[in-house]
Amino acid sequence: EPEVTQTPSHQVTQMGQEVILRCVPISNHLYFYWYRQILGQKVEFLVSFYNNEISEKSEIFDDQFSVERPDGSNFTLKIRSTKLEDSAMYFCASFFNSGGKLFFGSGTQLSVL
Amino acid sequence: GIQVEQSPPDLILQEGANSTLRCNFSDSVNNLQWFHQNPWGQLINLFYIPSGTKQNGRLSATTVATERYSLLYISSSQTTDSGVYFCAVGNTPLVFGKGTRLSVIA
Repeated sequence: EPEVTQTPSHQVTQMGQEVILRCVPISNHLYFYWYRQILGQKVEFLVSFYNNEISEKSEIFDDQFSVERPDGSNFTLKIRSTKLEDSAMYFCASFFNSGGKLFFGSGTQLSVL
Repeated sequence: GIQVEQSPPDLILQEGANSTLRCNFSDSVNNLQWFHQNPWGQLINLFYIPSGTKQNGRLSATTVATERYSLLYISSSQTTDSGVYFCAVGNTPLVFGKGTRLSVIA
């Protein structure tokens, strides 16, 4: 089965530093998402991306966050100035179409010290 | 926004037992999926089931969209079934419930 690939699997950073989380969605998929999961809590939606622009974002996705699809394969999430509360597992996901099966990557565990 | 409630929040089973997990949601949706989060944190898609019934081995799921609930059945549970089971519903994006934490003991 095709896979969504995320790198790195773990990222440790100091508070205030910028981090970029990377994702390679499944090649023919059109809709891309970032979700996060704080330890022991539910999976929360951050942002959706379609046709090279943000289609929807949650209240969590403030000005510190940005997403980009710099080329035809990569999809990135940038956190400009990390805070302690940004520590979480970040998942990338993709759909072929919005009514179909959502495929998740294995996640990036971000630890902000 | 859409509300998703899962029950029970925690479940402990003896190996070999059967169980039913429930997901209630507040609005009409065109997408519902069940995920298993394993001990390594990976989200494994079990079923894409906006309506009807599907089976995959010892697992099956039923969604009654008109009544806004879905059920996940696990039969003959094994220790490897342990983890958290999430229901995610919506149109776009998917909204996750808080999950059911399942522990299967030998």
